[in-house]
Amino acid sequence: QQQVKQSPQSLIVQKGGISIINCAYENTAFDYFPWYQQFPGKGPALLIAIRPDVSEKKEGRFTISFNKSAKQFSLHIMDSQPGDSATYFCAASIGETSGSRLTFGEGTQLTVNP
Amino acid sequence: NAGVMQNPRHLVRRRGQEARLRCSPMKGHSHVYWYRQLPEEGLKFMVYLQKENIIDESGMPKERFSAEFPKEGPSILRIQQVVRGDSAAYFCASSPKWGYQETQYFGPGTRLLVL
Repeated sequence: QQQVKQSPQSLIVQKGGISIINCAYENTAFDYFPWYQQFPGKGPALLIAIRPDVSEKKEGRFTISFNKSAKQFSLHIMDSQPGDSATYFCAASIGETSGSRLTFGEGTQLTVNP
Repeated sequence: NAGVMQNPRHLVRRRGQEARLRCSPMKGHSHVYWYRQLPEEGLKFMVYLQKENIIDESGMPKERFSAEFPKEGPSILRIQQVVRGDSAAYFCASSPKWGYQETQYFGPGTRLLVL
């Protein structure tokens, strides 16, 4: 299975709150898990990425938590800001054999209210 | 250093016409990926190319779609005899080389509308 399942489809958070987006995968060969942020009319931009040899990675207000046994990973946005309002995509790839082609989740539309 | 360039940004075609989408990778990048994003869906991989070579086209529809990345010039995604179901945003991404977890940088996309 090459699918990556993402939830929720949409999320509304108040300014200063925590936004949490979850993803699950089936293919245990996936070994690279990036998150992309996409604003309307723009292309996706890499936000943060993790490999399965670590359980957590933090960059500023963004944290990825990774649970290898459950085949799940999540994005946490701390102190969410209205400027974070965008669509977020999780993705996965098998780096060694596929030239890093990305399999994307369905996306989560995040709205942060002021 | 300019980012990934795609043109046109918007393209309108009538059913049966041809659509040509262009992608110029970032300077120094020799690997190009094409993805398609249908309305309200995630991005789906279509094809992976290096200069003058198609490396992986497992995501390309079997008919009407083709891609190339010539020695000189941009990568081209060509859709012949377009149908309404081809309406989507097409994104190109580039990376500096094939490698373990090379970051892909995305262009702004071409929004194709088939009337």
